[in-house]
Amino acid sequence: GAVVSQHPSRVICKSGTSVKIECRSLDFQATTMFWYRQFPKQSLMLMATSNEGSKATYEQGVEKDKFLINHASLTLSTLTVTSAHPEDSSFYICSARVGGGVRETQYFGPGTRLLVL
Amino acid sequence: AQSVTQPDIHITVSEGASLELRCNYSYGATPYLFWYVQSPGQGLQLLLKYFSGDTLVQGIKGFEAEFKRSQSSFNLRKPSVHWSDAAEYFCAVGFGNEKLTFGTGTRLTIIP
Repeated sequence: GAVVSQHPSRVICKSGTSVKIECRSLDFQATTMFWYRQFPKQSLMLMATSNEGSKATYEQGVEKDKFLINHASLTLSTLTVTSAHPEDSSFYICSARVGGGVRETQYFGPGTRLLVL
Repeated sequence: AQSVTQPDIHITVSEGASLELRCNYSYGATPYLFWYVQSPGQGLQLLLKYFSGDTLVQGIKGFEAEFKRSQSSFNLRKPSVHWSDAAEYFCAVGFGNEKLTFGTGTRLTIIP
C-alpha cells in the first residue's frame, strides 16, 4: 500500500525558533498533500492543502505566514512553523492523496509531535 | 455544509466481544466514506472505504462497515475484538476532490 513518512517524529524547540517538518510519499507520487493539526483527544483539523508546483491553499483561520508550506516535488511537502510559540505545540499530521475520482484515498503519515518551550 | 457525527466518545468492550462504532453524516449527496484508526502517538491508518456498489465493505484487521443510505450512516463493525484493537477510530467523508471531513473520533478501550 501507499506509504507516507514524516520527519522528524518528535521535535522540541525554543520559543521564537522555526521548525521544518517533512512529509514524503515513499512509493508513489502525490500532486496533492494535506497538513492537519491535532490537539490532544481531538479530531484532525485541516490546516492547508499543498499542491505540487503551486501555492498552498489555507483553511480559514490558519496563518499562511506562520505555517509555510512548500510542495517542491511530487514526493515531498514541507511545513515550516515560523517563530514558534508554546501555543503551536501540537501533533502535526500530513497525508497524501492517491488516485482520482472514485478511487481517491488519503494516506497519512505517522505524525510529528512539536513541543515549543 | 457537510458534517460527520460520531455519537460515542468512548466505548469499552471486552476482548472477544463484538463491536459497532457509529457514524452518521450530513451531505447533499452520497459522499465517499472512510474509517481510519489511530494508535496513540501515531498517524492514521485506513481501515476501509466506500465509494459505491456493495453497501457492505470489508476492510483490514477483520473490520467491516455498512453504508445505509436511508439512515445516512456508515457504522464500523467487528465480530470479535482483540486487545490490539484499542485505539481511536475516526469516520471521515469526502467527495471527489474535496477535502475530508472527520468526525470527532471514538476511543475504544478493550478489557480482558
